[in-house]
Amino acid sequence: QKEVEQNSGPLSVPEGAIASLNCTYSDRGSQSFFWYRQYSGKSPELIMFIYSNGDKEDGRFTAQLNKASQYVSLLIRDSQPSDSATYLCAVAYSGGGADGLTFGKGTHLIIQP
Amino acid sequence: KAGVTQTPRYLIKTRGQQVTLSCSPISGHRSVSWYQQTPGQGLQFLFEYFSETQRNKGNFPGRFSGRQFSNSRSEMNVSTLELGDSALYLCASSLGPAGGGYEQYFGPGTRLTVT
Repeated sequence: QKEVEQNSGPLSVPEGAIASLNCTYSDRGSQSFFWYRQYSGKSPELIMFIYSNGDKEDGRFTAQLNKASQYVSLLIRDSQPSDSATYLCAVAYSGGGADGLTFGKGTHLIIQP
Repeated sequence: KAGVTQTPRYLIKTRGQQVTLSCSPISGHRSVSWYQQTPGQGLQFLFEYFSETQRNKGNFPGRFSGRQFSNSRSEMNVSTLELGDSALYLCASSLGPAGGGYEQYFGPGTRLTVT
């Protein structure tokens, strides 16, 4: 059973600060990692993906992957009120019998003006 | 480039009925995955289709089925609806199968309410 764990929050961060979202996964065969943002009443929107250990930056977003610790994180710099949403971590297993993306239940992020 | 489209957007059905939901992927994408999202369970994988073949299926009863056509459009069907099937059904489109690490892009979803 592949599992993806996230702290449900809410995580409250002041505007302009760095928001740090964390995710752990159970299957060492997992090879692709994705972060989605979901606003209330909307569908998930892909914001970052990472495949290799280390950091990947895109604008205000940085994804970090540590396969040895089975840990992936998302940093949001200069947080804005519009970043308030639920952030979903998703993991894809690469190999026979892949079962789509396994999602965590999401972290609810609140950016306080 | 147009995004993923899903129809209908909203649906109200009665217990025991069946329903068919439709998904048109992004042009050029050959993989379609379906997910069920509920407040309690989060996003759960239903099945994935690639080149008209079902590659994987999640842990859902046989009442849930799907198919993919040669133009990559996909449909999912739920028979003998139960109250617990009320959920947001999301379709995701990608160039290739999820196991290949391809990014998935979601449609707006179909909100199904079973009464």
